[in-house]
Amino acid sequence: AQSVTQLGSHVSVSEGALVLLRCNYSSSVPPYLFWYVQYPNQGLQLLLKYTTGATLVKGINGFEAEFKKSETSFHLTKPSAHMSDAAEYFCAVSPNFNKFYFGSGTKLNVKP
Amino acid sequence: NAGVTQTPKFRVLKTGQSMTLLCAQDMNHEYMYWYRQDPGMGLRLIHYSVGEGTTAKGEVPDGYNVSRLKKQNFLLGLESAAPSQTSVYFCASRLVSSYEQYFGPGTRLTVT
Repeated sequence: AQSVTQLGSHVSVSEGALVLLRCNYSSSVPPYLFWYVQYPNQGLQLLLKYTTGATLVKGINGFEAEFKKSETSFHLTKPSAHMSDAAEYFCAVSPNFNKFYFGSGTKLNVKP
Repeated sequence: NAGVTQTPKFRVLKTGQSMTLLCAQDMNHEYMYWYRQDPGMGLRLIHYSVGEGTTAKGEVPDGYNVSRLKKQNFLLGLESAAPSQTSVYFCASRLVSSYEQYFGPGTRLTVT
């Protein structure tokens, strides 16, 4: 069975600081990996994805994530936080593109 | 394009009542999904469909039924609502050739 662990349900950073949101997965085979963002009272939007190839993937709004097979991790980073980045972020995995398994989410707060 | 729409946006039910949530997409997507989102638990897959006339169970299918009679619509039914089904329900769709799910705005359901 797939599981996704997001360390830290709430993360707070200052505007301009590094954003690091952690995601670890358990899988017997390397899955396909995703990060989604959810703004208040909205559905989820895809930030970025890893399927094959380069392990460092870039997404929208300056976010990127690195797939580390040895650590079973797919952490999300952004060099400089902006107030508009305040939202909830979800890591997701899919073993076969039929089903998707989401983590419990991390709420990012950006302080002025 | 309207994208993915969900009807209704809000609903309050009494225990034992039934209702149907409608998801509609105008992007000619093959795959459609129903998720529920609960605080601290992320999104959990209820049922999904890989095409018109086909459905399959997700992680938490008990107490729900689905139907996909038309490619553009995916219905989620609650035959006898229970307080444990109080949640926000999201529908999503995607092309078979793409990994990106497009989410609707959600339906907030309260069962008293």
